[in-house]
Amino acid sequence: KAGVTQTPRYLIKTRGQQVTLSCSPISGHRSVSWYQQTPGQGLQFLFEYFSETQRNKGNFPGRFSGRQFSNSRSEMNVSTLELGDSALYLCASSLEGLALYNEQFFGPGTRLTVL
Amino acid sequence: GQQLNQSPQSMFIQEGEDVSMNCTSSSIFNTWLWYKQDPGEGPVLLIALYKAGELTSNGRLTAQFGITRKDSFLNISASIPSDVGIYFCAGQLKPLTDKLIFGTGTRLQVFP
Repeated sequence: KAGVTQTPRYLIKTRGQQVTLSCSPISGHRSVSWYQQTPGQGLQFLFEYFSETQRNKGNFPGRFSGRQFSNSRSEMNVSTLELGDSALYLCASSLEGLALYNEQFFGPGTRLTVL
Repeated sequence: GQQLNQSPQSMFIQEGEDVSMNCTSSSIFNTWLWYKQDPGEGPVLLIALYKAGELTSNGRLTAQFGITRKDSFLNISASIPSDVGIYFCAGQLKPLTDKLIFGTGTRLQVFP
């Protein structure tokens, strides 16, 4: 079955602009998590959505927001972009179940460059 | 944000050598995970650990959940060129629904 897809794969924006990234989870997966990956900070958790509700949130400013639709697809939005927002944004989906750990499957990411 | 301390930061080894890397935390985790990330791709889960002391293998990879629940180790035996990539540990404080906290990564380079 198809993996996690993210669009666009690459994006260039300028400071002050806003951006929307999209993530389509694996079919049947209801949880979607977003991460920011930078060389200096590694993988940082942004937020997680489950059944259209934000279930967990990381320590990012309010400029970072997200949402999930009824088909489990998710978007994240960054407003008033700053140079430091340049990063690889990864989306991961998981199947909610009774396992000890709901394995997260990652997409290839969206590379955002802010000029 | 919260991060796990992962070491070494990078490793340059010869094909056939064994590799060891570890991850430590000041917090107790209920789940430890090891991921590998290839260039241009998202991380892929290698091994998941659920109990203190647990030792789990996946082919040439072996990982252990530390007894104190504050650390984990990953070993790769007889490395091959396709082992090249960035290896991340990740921990989960509470099972099932808690967020993942990632280590800073170990970049592995294998020379033939």
